Amino acid sequence: GAVVSQHPSRVICKSGTSVKIECRSLDFQATTMFWYRQFPKQSLMLMATSNEGSKATYEQGVEKDKFLINHASLTLSTLTVTSAHPEDSSFYICSARDRLAGGRDTQYFGPGTRLTVL
Amino acid sequence: DAKTTQPPSMDCAEGRAANLPCNHSTISGNEYVYWYRQIHSQGPQYIIHGLKNNETNEMASLIITEDRKSSTLILPHATLRDTAVYYCIVRVPGNQFYFGTGTSLTVIP
Repeated sequence: GAVVSQHPSRVICKSGTSVKIECRSLDFQATTMFWYRQFPKQSLMLMATSNEGSKATYEQGVEKDKFLINHASLTLSTLTVTSAHPEDSSFYICSARDRLAGGRDTQYFGPGTRLTVL
Repeated sequence: DAKTTQPPSMDCAEGRAANLPCNHSTISGNEYVYWYRQIHSQGPQYIIHGLKNNETNEMASLIITEDRKSSTLILPHATLRDTAVYYCIVRVPGNQFYFGTGTSLTVIP
């Protein structure tokens, strides 16, 4: 099956620093990737849609200058949390849509990245 | 995309079938029903999806009512590893996935 990886799986950083999270589709090409955030005991919240070679589309209430998304290739999207603060501590999950899936049109999710901001 | 309603939690005995319901009374004709599950501290895992016909794969069966206003995910022989939060999502192909609160399924030994 399609595999999506994320790196790092866990990261701890100091308040005010920036953190980059990578999302890779390992065995398929993804023109579209998605970033989610999940707080403890809550559901996944879509943050943004990332399209290869173009600007990301952010959901309402998500600060685009704080959560920088780059989708430079068909297999890689990155999320950078800039000037992180403790309230940004969360579980960040990416997903990718298989470009050639056709009618299946299923998203495959990465394992998530646990961010802790001290 | 139409919204879904799921019970917040369910228990199931190990080895028995787990039947997880989902209501999507406002579903439109071109919206599919998707099921994902999320085991604690992992990314969601795709289970199955369908439009109007019942579907079956190696993981589960999806039963969609004739009026498409509700569906049931069936795990035929639940194991302890099936303990997870199960999400029912209704979506037009090509659109984003928006997750609801899901059903927390606990499989009991």
